[in-house]
Amino acid sequence: DAKTTQPPSMDCAEGRAANLPCNHSTISGNEYVYWYRQIHSQGPQYIIHGLKNNETNEMASLIITEDRKSSTLILPHATLRDTAVYYCIVRALSGGYQKVTFGTGTKLQVIP
Amino acid sequence: EAQVTQNPRYLITVTGKKLTVTCSQNMNHEYMSWYRQDPGLGLRQIYYSMNVEVTDKGDVPEGYKVSRKEKRNFPLILESPSPNQTSLYFCASSLLPGVRGELFFGEGSRLTVL
Repeated sequence: DAKTTQPPSMDCAEGRAANLPCNHSTISGNEYVYWYRQIHSQGPQYIIHGLKNNETNEMASLIITEDRKSSTLILPHATLRDTAVYYCIVRALSGGYQKVTFGTGTKLQVIP
Repeated sequence: EAQVTQNPRYLITVTGKKLTVTCSQNMNHEYMSWYRQDPGLGLRQIYYSMNVEVTDKGDVPEGYKVSRKEKRNFPLILESPSPNQTSLYFCASSLLPGVRGELFFGEGSRLTVL
């Protein structure tokens, strides 16, 4: 079973910020939150990850709540090319258990 | 160029005919994994490997085998394919997450079993 829960779909107007939520209420202390996106049937592409602090890179920002039970991926100025399925996953920092479960993700539709 | 290469990209085969989907990465990654993707079910992990000669089951390992004899290669073996294994398959690799841990995916292999 997926360790994360995401809404199945969202719409966002072009040029506006897209805020994609993810619930990971059972996350443990040594697990990172990772975000990926998949355009059509291409291989998923890494976006960003974090442990407990907010993170930003050239693609997006990641906001993780203080209790680490949920996070939000922010695409600051969505474009039509951001239309994709977005996956939030958790992954252990260390240890021999490295099963990585993706779930069904959020289908983001950016509207002109 | 850093990449994960899968072959074949497309394959149509018949029930029971053994096939192998190859996966190779050129990034010296310890971790490699196979996923299948079916409509409405997202990405489901089949097997993963933490290093050479170390493999473990994912969520849907039935009907599949893997091996990790070399660090760069992680082939997926279907000994006796069945129609329910018709799917889009992805191979992925990464450093172990204590370093970075983001997964790099191949372009996918679309398999049809008749």
